[in-house]
Amino acid sequence: EDQVTQSPEALRLQEGESSSLNCSYTVSGLRGLFWYRQDPGKGPEFLFTLYSAGEEKEKERLKATLTKKESFLHITAPKPEDSATYLCAVRFSGGYNKLIFGAGTRLAVHP
Amino acid sequence: NAGVMQNPRHLVRRRGQEARLRCSPMKGHSHVYWYRQLPEEGLKFMVYLQKENIIDESGMPKERFSAEFPKEGPSILRIQQVVRGDSAAYFCASSPPREDTEAFFGQGTRLTVV
Repeated sequence: EDQVTQSPEALRLQEGESSSLNCSYTVSGLRGLFWYRQDPGKGPEFLFTLYSAGEEKEKERLKATLTKKESFLHITAPKPEDSATYLCAVRFSGGYNKLIFGAGTRLAVHP
Repeated sequence: NAGVMQNPRHLVRRRGQEARLRCSPMKGHSHVYWYRQLPEEGLKFMVYLQKENIIDESGMPKERFSAEFPKEGPSILRIQQVVRGDSAAYFCASSPPREDTEAFFGQGTRLTVV
C-alpha cells in the first residue's frame, strides 16, 4: 500500500537550533514529493517540489532533499515564526494527480 | 492574483441537514481537488475534478457525498444528511491543466455538525 510516514510527530527547538524533519515513502513510481507548511486554522502553504533522487531545493532557512526512499526538510537557525506543522505529500504513477499526505510534524521554535 | 477561494469558512449544520461547500480555483487552473482533515489527523484525498468531469473519486465515501465542477462557477462539495463524524476541515486545492505541477490550497471550510 502506498504510504507516507513523517517523523518526528512533534519537535521543539530553541531559536537558532538547527534540525531536520524526515519523510519516508513507499510508492511505486514517484512523480513528485511535495512539502507544505500549515499554520493553525489555515490551509497548507506550498514550499517545495522534488522530482528525483539527489535533488535539493532551498528557501530562506529551509532546505529540502530527496533520496529514493525519503526526503528531509532541514531547518537552519530557526526562528519562532517557523513554528508550524510541516506536511509531506507524494504523487505517484497510476494515482492521477492526487497527493498522499503524511500526518505531519508539528514544529515549535521557542525564543 | 487571488488564491484558491473557499466559502463559507465556517459552517454549522444540524444532523440530517445538507452541507454545501464551494471552491473557486486560482485563475488559469482547471483542476480541482478536495481533501478532508479530521481533528489531529492528516489530509485525506477525496476527489479530483476537471471542468465537468470527475477524474478520480477513490477517496469519496460511497454514500451522501458528491462533488461537481461545472463549466461555469465554483466547484461544489455536497454532503447530504450530515452526521457528527462529518465534522472536519475540508480543503480545496487547484492546479494548472498540466501534469505534475504543484497544487495550491484554499483556507478551508470548517464544518461542525451539532
